[in-house]
Amino acid sequence: DAKTTQPPSMDCAEGRAANLPCNHSTISGNEYVYWYRQIHSQGPQYIIHGLKNNETNEMASLIITEDRKSSTLILPHATLRDTAVYYCTLRAGGTSYGKLTFGQGTILTVHP
Amino acid sequence: GAGVSQSPSNKVTEKGKDVELRCDPISGHTALYWYRQSLGQGLEFLIYFQGNSAPDKSGLPSDRFSAERTGGSVSTLTIQRTQQEDSAVYLCASSLEGANTEAFFGQGTRLTVV
Repeated sequence: DAKTTQPPSMDCAEGRAANLPCNHSTISGNEYVYWYRQIHSQGPQYIIHGLKNNETNEMASLIITEDRKSSTLILPHATLRDTAVYYCTLRAGGTSYGKLTFGQGTILTVHP
Repeated sequence: GAGVSQSPSNKVTEKGKDVELRCDPISGHTALYWYRQSLGQGLEFLIYFQGNSAPDKSGLPSDRFSAERTGGSVSTLTIQRTQQEDSAVYLCASSLEGANTEAFFGQGTRLTVV
């Protein structure tokens, strides 16, 4: 069973910020939060990851709550090309071997 | 190439035939993962390789599925006696070891069993 919970779908206007939430209330201390997105018929694309600090890169920002039980992916200025399924996943090393466990994700639709 | 390469991109096979799917990971990536994605579904973990060994095969759905990796690089996923329910996109990902490194995915092989 997936250890993350996401809303099944969200809408966003082009040019506005898209804020995608994820709950991971049973996260372990050694698990990282990873975000991927998948555009139709393509392989998942890495977006960003973090452990406990907020992270930012050229694609997005990741805000992780202090208790690490939830996070938010922020696309600061959404474009039509950001329409995709967004997956929030957890990743741990050790006996979990770094495998990513995917849930159903959030279908983000960016409209003009 | 710079990314994870999978071949073929599409494969149509008859029920009962065997198929082999290939994954070329990013050079230097010791960790390799296979996933399966059925139509409209999320990604389902199949198997993990660390170098040439597979310490986690827990996701393989039946003994018709097997995988190997040679030279710490190329991996092949073999499905014997294919069934229609095997139809899916098979995705490969590779990364450096550890949880604090990005895993990169290939574009997948779309398998259709008719």
